[in-house]
Amino acid sequence: AQTVTQSQPEMSVQEAETVTLSCTYDTSESDYYLFWYKQPPSRQMILVIRQEAYKQQNATENRFSVNFQKAAKSFSLKISDSQLGDAAMYFCAYRSGNNDMRFGAGTRLTVKP
Amino acid sequence: DVKVTQSSRYLVKRTGEKVFLECVQDMDHENMFWYRQDPGLGLRLIYFSYDVKMKEKGDIPEGYSVSREKKERFSLILESASTNQTSMYLCASSRGGNQETQYFGPGTRLLVL
Repeated sequence: AQTVTQSQPEMSVQEAETVTLSCTYDTSESDYYLFWYKQPPSRQMILVIRQEAYKQQNATENRFSVNFQKAAKSFSLKISDSQLGDAAMYFCAYRSGNNDMRFGAGTRLTVKP
Repeated sequence: DVKVTQSSRYLVKRTGEKVFLECVQDMDHENMFWYRQDPGLGLRLIYFSYDVKMKEKGDIPEGYSVSREKKERFSLILESASTNQTSMYLCASSRGGNQETQYFGPGTRLLVL
């Protein structure tokens, strides 16, 4: 079974600085999708960024980018120019070809002013 | 904008009660999902449905059942609530296809006494 591991339960970053959240996954499949979701306090979970495994180019969405290392099964999220509104729980997720969706345990990000 | 709504934000039930959690989406999505979210465990998939009257077990289906009579509505049923089912329950929906983003509801925090 596929597993998703987020090894950092908590992270903190100074406002305007850069932070990287780690995620590794385990799979024997070659075709799959990876996602980072953000869950602000008491608010709905929303998609931050996603990556197709067949694409070598790392996905980027404004201040958010990923470092996708397929051979290493690593999918880290980099947040540049951190803002107070980035404070949230961040979940890494994996979706397989048969619609199986797996989430990591989450990383709580604190942004210090 | 996609909207996923859940019938209750907070719910308190007694052990042995039958509990219904309702989820409605307004974007004609084929796929709908039920997760529970617990600290340190992330999100775990209970059931998902890829079409009306279709359902698939997720990782932790024991003690739960689901119903999807209409495309926009996906219900989670706790046949006989137990204290270990105290949790946050999240509903999500997506279009068909594994690359599609899941859109989440606000969650229902269930307390079973």
